[in-house]
Amino acid sequence: AQSVTQPDIHITVSEGASLELRCNYSYGATPYLFWYVQSPGQGLQLLLKYFSGDTLVQGIKGFEAEFKRSQSSFNLRKPSVHWSDAAEYFCAATIYGQNFVFGPGTRLSVLP
Amino acid sequence: EPEVTQTPSHQVTQMGQEVILRCVPISNHLYFYWYRQILGQKVEFLVSFYNNEISEKSEIFDDQFSVERPDGSNFTLKIRSTKLEDSAMYFCASSEARDRPEAFFGQGTRLTVV
Repeated sequence: AQSVTQPDIHITVSEGASLELRCNYSYGATPYLFWYVQSPGQGLQLLLKYFSGDTLVQGIKGFEAEFKRSQSSFNLRKPSVHWSDAAEYFCAATIYGQNFVFGPGTRLSVLP
Repeated sequence: EPEVTQTPSHQVTQMGQEVILRCVPISNHLYFYWYRQILGQKVEFLVSFYNNEISEKSEIFDDQFSVERPDGSNFTLKIRSTKLEDSAMYFCASSEARDRPEAFFGQGTRLTVV
């Protein structure tokens, strides 16, 4: 069955520190991959996406993600976290024409 | 920037009542979706809709759920007889085409069944 996993339920980092959120997928073929962010009580905002080509993709708010086919991973990174980055982060995947499968989410807390 | 809009933002209903959640997808998008997120849990797919018919649905989307595109702009989710376990955030999403599958999500409707 198709699945997306995010091994870390909750991560805490200090403001200014670097961040990496992990995402792994299990699909028969390479899916399209996405990261969404959700602030408390808010909707899902698209941070970035990977369809094909360059395996390092840039997104909004200074985020980037790297696709690694050999590891079935699509990890999200940010070199310097800001307090406003505290939110829930969801990795998601879809195959052409099918619905999105979301990971369980990683909650990010930022210490001042 | 175009966006998906959902109304209402919060709906409280009594168990057994019917509710209709409304969505206005982005105007040139062709694929429409409903997802739900029970508090503290992951986002789950309910249904996708294309060319005026359901293209895929999950096992959550049983006979008490229905979707409709009553006119050229709205996309609705109806829950016929709400149960307590239907309490969740419901997200509408739309995407432009199958080869541009990024979905844009609305802000959600928080449904509380009492």
